[in-house]
Amino acid sequence: EVQLVESGGGLVKPGGSLRLSCAASGFTFSTYSINWVRQAPGKGLEWVSAISSRSDYIYYADSVKGRFTISRDNVKNSLYLQMNSLRAEDTAFYYCVRDNGAARDYFQHWGQGTLVTVSS
Amino acid sequence: DVVMTQSPFSLPVTLGQPASISCRSTQSLVYSDGNTYLSWFQQRPGQSPRRLIYKVSNRDSGVPDRFSGSGSGTDFTLKISRVEAEDVGVYYCMQGTHWPPTFGQGTKVEIK
Repeated sequence: EVQLVESGGGLVKPGGSLRLSCAASGFTFSTYSINWVRQAPGKGLEWVSAISSRSDYIYYADSVKGRFTISRDNVKNSLYLQMNSLRAEDTAFYYCVRDNGAARDYFQHWGQGTLVTVSS
Repeated sequence: DVVMTQSPFSLPVTLGQPASISCRSTQSLVYSDGNTYLSWFQQRPGQSPRRLIYKVSNRDSGVPDRFSGSGSGTDFTLKISRVEAEDVGVYYCMQGTHWPPTFGQGTKVEIK
């Protein structure tokens, strides 16, 4: 069974930093692209960042470009999101989401999410 | 970015009755390979989203056959043939044809 377990969320002040982690199991982690998708409380879904299976392709939403860094460790079966210069509008649940392997077959499996709150 | 617009925002339904959600995109979602990368997601209260449908009309594993997707180009529909209590939640369409992937604003399905 595919499992994605996020951690690292919490309360941080504006301008601060946080590092999210996603522990994957139940599949061959090194062969899949993985994404971060966020959802502000009570709001809709927003794709944040994606990383290919071997980290050779990395993409960011314009809203986080230059502030967030996605990375992965295929030995530890883990995905990360380094979040710097955090703003109030970054407050959201952050989901680790696996694609299905085929081109453009996005967001098949979702973690339970971790809440990031940016507030003074 | 491609904008996805869903209607209605809220959909009160009677148990056992059908329900239909519309999704429209600002650009055609037909990709150069001939496929249309339009998906539907369900988010039950307090849960993570779950993908129901991919490439317009293909159900993911374990999705009941009362859920069906249809459409082409820029207009798409998710139908629930007979709504059950467990179908309550918010439904999102998403396009994966154009980068970046974008979601509709969501449609809340509730029981009358």
